[in-house]
Amino acid sequence: GAGVSQSPSNKVTEKGKDVELRCDPISGHTALYWYRQSLGQGLEFLIYFQGNSAPDKSGLPSDRFSAERTGGSVSTLTIQRTQQEDSAVYLCASSALQGENEKLFFGSGTQLSVL
Amino acid sequence: QKEVEQNSGPLSVPEGAIASLNCTYSDRVSQSFFWYRQYSGKSPELIMSIYSNGDKEDGRFTAQLNKASQYVSLLIRDSQPSDSATYLCAASNSGYALNFGKGTSLLVTP
Repeated sequence: GAGVSQSPSNKVTEKGKDVELRCDPISGHTALYWYRQSLGQGLEFLIYFQGNSAPDKSGLPSDRFSAERTGGSVSTLTIQRTQQEDSAVYLCASSALQGENEKLFFGSGTQLSVL
Repeated sequence: QKEVEQNSGPLSVPEGAIASLNCTYSDRVSQSFFWYRQYSGKSPELIMSIYSNGDKEDGRFTAQLNKASQYVSLLIRDSQPSDSATYLCAASNSGYALNFGKGTSLLVTP
């Protein structure tokens, strides 16, 4: 596709339910990021995939959060047993190269609301 | 802990003035620095990148980097109301995730 695609754009769920958020990066981009942004706040780093390297999971806030990237392309962020504090916009971004040529392209995000 | 610090603002400047946005970072090995702009309800978009000490100009935007002071800034000349947004500073070291500051809100008043 032309850009980073995220689905769903909006997700309303009940506390305690599991949710899956999907990110389809720009074709050929080797790096993929997940960030979380609460209302009026900055970007909170969650997880980073780079090529075939082990992902950097240092930003995941708890073991309820996990992510995978299949075939070096599509990524799924899973939140188990959702809590109200998980409500935020979840942004995915991809980039082609590291360092001087790195430019993150962001998707439109998934607005998650936990009731 | 790799941190990128920004004043949250809001920074208010009159139309036509120079807006100066500042950022400091804690990780001395950071090599690449970026400024992203985020309009309310939208995703961030890259407006400037800088990798070497000194100034880098692109149209009305100038990024400044001082690695010794671990300081990055963004100047916006001839500010326009359409520049009103949140500006996010980010730093990275090759092979590691990009770290963002919390952003500075800029308001350009007509």
